[in-house]
Amino acid sequence: QKEVEQNSGPLSVPEGAIASLNCTYSDRGSQSFFWYRQYSGKSPELIMFIYSNGDKEDGRFTAQLNKASQYVSLLIRDSQPSDSATYLCASFGNQFYFGTGTSLTVIP
Amino acid sequence: DVKVTQSSRYLVKRTGEKVFLECVQDMDHENMFWYRQDPGLGLRLIYFSYDVKMKEKGDIPEGYSVSREKKERFSLILESASTNQTSMYLCASTGDRGVPEAFFGQGTRLTVV
Repeated sequence: QKEVEQNSGPLSVPEGAIASLNCTYSDRGSQSFFWYRQYSGKSPELIMFIYSNGDKEDGRFTAQLNKASQYVSLLIRDSQPSDSATYLCASFGNQFYFGTGTSLTVIP
Repeated sequence: DVKVTQSSRYLVKRTGEKVFLECVQDMDHENMFWYRQDPGLGLRLIYFSYDVKMKEKGDIPEGYSVSREKKERFSLILESASTNQTSMYLCASTGDRGVPEAFFGQGTRLTVV
């Protein structure tokens, strides 16, 4: 079993829609959770982190964490074609564990 | 502006060569990591280091070694390159204070022929 599992997609949404990306983790000792965006051929860049149960909003992005269910999600509102990328979920306890990523395409 | 810099963006090496990948960070971070990224397999941890001269094996250390002689520099060494080490290599660093956000270098695309 992988430490961090993501729905691999690909996920396609029309421009302006909400994109929902999901992630589960197995290590209950994980304390912090991260969403990275990775454009093709580029390195990952941090979008958001969350470490408390509940929602955290930053502009069009909302991260949600449910520690009881060991579940993390990322919602992207008003999706734009520039959001088309692979999104990596990561957990951190004593080291980072990354999911394999979800490919998102926003269709104009 | 935080910076993690990898020495090469693209490399082509021959089978059996010794290969050095260099990573330098300017954020005074304690922790540094080397990953490789392959389609469908995601980011896999090769080695990491919590301090100068310290190193820990990650999930796939076979065929690799590392060196950390200075805090800002973490080198990945392929002792005898093989074609199955063709991959994208990513270096990352984090600090010990606050939320441990990982900052990534730009990546090195290594091809072993």
